Order: sequence, then structure tokens, then C-alpha cells
Amino acid sequence: KQEVTQIPAALSVPEGENLVLNCSFTDSAIYNLQWFRQDPGKGLTSLLLIQSSQREQTSGRLNASLDKSSGRSTLYIAASQPGDSATYLCASASGGSYIPTFGRGTSLIVHP
Amino acid sequence: NAGVTQTPKFQVLKTGQSMTLQCAQDMNHNSMYWYRQDPGMGLRLIYYSASEGTTDKGEVPNGYNVSRLNKREFSLRLESAAPSQTSVYFCASSVYGLASYNEQFFGPGTRLTVL
Repeated sequence: KQEVTQIPAALSVPEGENLVLNCSFTDSAIYNLQWFRQDPGKGLTSLLLIQSSQREQTSGRLNASLDKSSGRSTLYIAASQPGDSATYLCASASGGSYIPTFGRGTSLIVHP
Repeated sequence: NAGVTQTPKFQVLKTGQSMTLQCAQDMNHNSMYWYRQDPGMGLRLIYYSASEGTTDKGEVPNGYNVSRLNKREFSLRLESAAPSQTSVYFCASSVYGLASYNEQFFGPGTRLTVL
């Protein structure tokens, strides 16, 4: 069964810093890996989805990479802003199931 | 295009009461899901529907039932609510069949308290 881990659980950075959020998974035979953002009291918003044949995806200031051999994905946020403050979750589908397993998220605070 | 909608947004129940959470999507997605999110536990799958007419149990199905009413709608029913079912419930949908591109889209959630 796929296990997805996100470390650290919480992160606080000053505005303007470039930062990396980590996601690790145990089953390298993944179909895809998806990154989400969740604001307090809200639902999950899809940010990026990387298919197993891809190495990275980019959207604006966000770049997600996938390294199946090491069981890792990273979400890079460039020039962080206070509006980036949220919880970021990753989820991976693997092992014959298209249903993803979720990590518990990294809570990010970007302070002015 | 509203995406995934859920009703109600908030609900308070007494132990033993029943209720149905409604979910609808307008993206013509084949698959729909119900999750619960609890502090320290992350997102856990309750039930899912791979396509219209099919439903399957997820990780934590006990105490719940579902109905895939049509392609758009997927409801979650609590027959006899218990305090352990206090949680935030999320509905999601995705295109099924292309497993490598099975992007999930979530609704805003229903915050349920069982007293």
C-alpha cells in the first residue's frame, strides 16, 4: 500500500524567499503525483499534476518535479508571498489503483 | 461552470439522527469520491464511484452509505450519526480511464458536528 509522507509538517518563511516543499512515497510504480493547496476552512485546490512519464510541471511561480527512482516529489515556490500561506498536500496514485493516497500536508506561513 | 458543489456547508446533528450529504459536479467526470478529513489523520477515503452505477468501499466505510444518483450526483448518507463521525467531509470528482491523468477536483466541504 502506498504511503505518502510530507516533511516538515509546518514551515514559516519571510516574504520573498524561494522555498521547496517535499513529498516522499514508498511505491515507485506511480501513475501520477498531484499537488494541492488548502486554505483554512476551504476545500482542496489542484495546483499541478505530474504524470509518471513526466519529470516536472510548471504553473506561474510553482514548479513541481518528480523523481520516481528516489520516491520523491518537490514543489518549488519562487519569490514567496503572504498569499501563498496555506497547507500544501501531495497525493499519489499507484499499484494498479487510480485512487490517490494523500500525505498529511505541510502548513506554510509566509510572513511579511 | 461551478465545478464540484456540496450541500449543506455546515450541519449539527444529535447522536442517532440521520442525514444525507449531497454532491454534484458539472464537469462530466466519470468518477466521484467521498473523503473525510480529521486533524492528525489526513484525508481518508470513505466510498468512491468509478462510474455511474458502481460504488465501492474505501478505507473507512463503516457507518456510511452512498448513492450514485446519476453521472452528476453522488450522495453520502449517515444512517445513525455518532460523535466519531464529527469531521469535515469532502466530495471530489475526476476523469477515469486515463489513470496517468486522473486529476481530482474537490468541493468546498461540509463541516459536520455530531453531539
